[in-house]
Amino acid sequence: KNEVEQSPQNLTAQEGEFITINCSYSVGISALHWLQQHPGGGIVSLFMLSSGKKKHGRLIATINIQEKHSSLHITASHPRDSAVYICAVSIGTASKLTFGTGTRLQVTL
Amino acid sequence: DSGVTQTPKHLITATGQRVTLRCSPRSGDLSVYWYQQSLDQGLQFLIQYYNGEERAKGNILERFSAQQFPDLHSELNLSSLELGDSALYFCASSAIGGINYGYTFGSGTRLTVV
Repeated sequence: KNEVEQSPQNLTAQEGEFITINCSYSVGISALHWLQQHPGGGIVSLFMLSSGKKKHGRLIATINIQEKHSSLHITASHPRDSAVYICAVSIGTASKLTFGTGTRLQVTL
Repeated sequence: DSGVTQTPKHLITATGQRVTLRCSPRSGDLSVYWYQQSLDQGLQFLIQYYNGEERAKGNILERFSAQQFPDLHSELNLSSLELGDSALYFCASSAIGGINYGYTFGSGTRLTVV
């Protein structure tokens, strides 16, 4: 069993829809990261969370430490949000990242 | 520009060859991480350097090696290349250990072994 599980694997939405991507982990972590990878490959760090909730523009990330679960929400989705969203964790005191398999999001007009 | 510079962006080479991937971390960041992204394995941690010293090792093959130089840039050396080494190789940097300071990723080097 992977230490980091994401769902769904693939997601198609229409422009304007509210989107939720989920991440569950099975180990103790020091931080959880949400990353975005566009076609062409580059990775951008969206959020780093150790508790609570963070918001940046139309993106909201939440984490529930007790339930070992995090969600990434996109409000008013737009075609430019089409990308792979990756959940990653720092396990214990290690600073290296362990990754989920990613959620491929396609937002259509 | 994320601040982390990786060169080259693309590399095509033959099996059995050796290549060197280069990473310059964001200014001020002391830690450099190397990750491999392949179609079948996803993103996997290879190795971390902190201020010139190896800090952590992941699923890095013996044919691969890395180092971080006094100017903090890092190089990942891949030798005796096999078709299965074809992947995207990412470098990321962080200020100290990374746990509380976040990461900045480079744009990656796409290695194709033919």
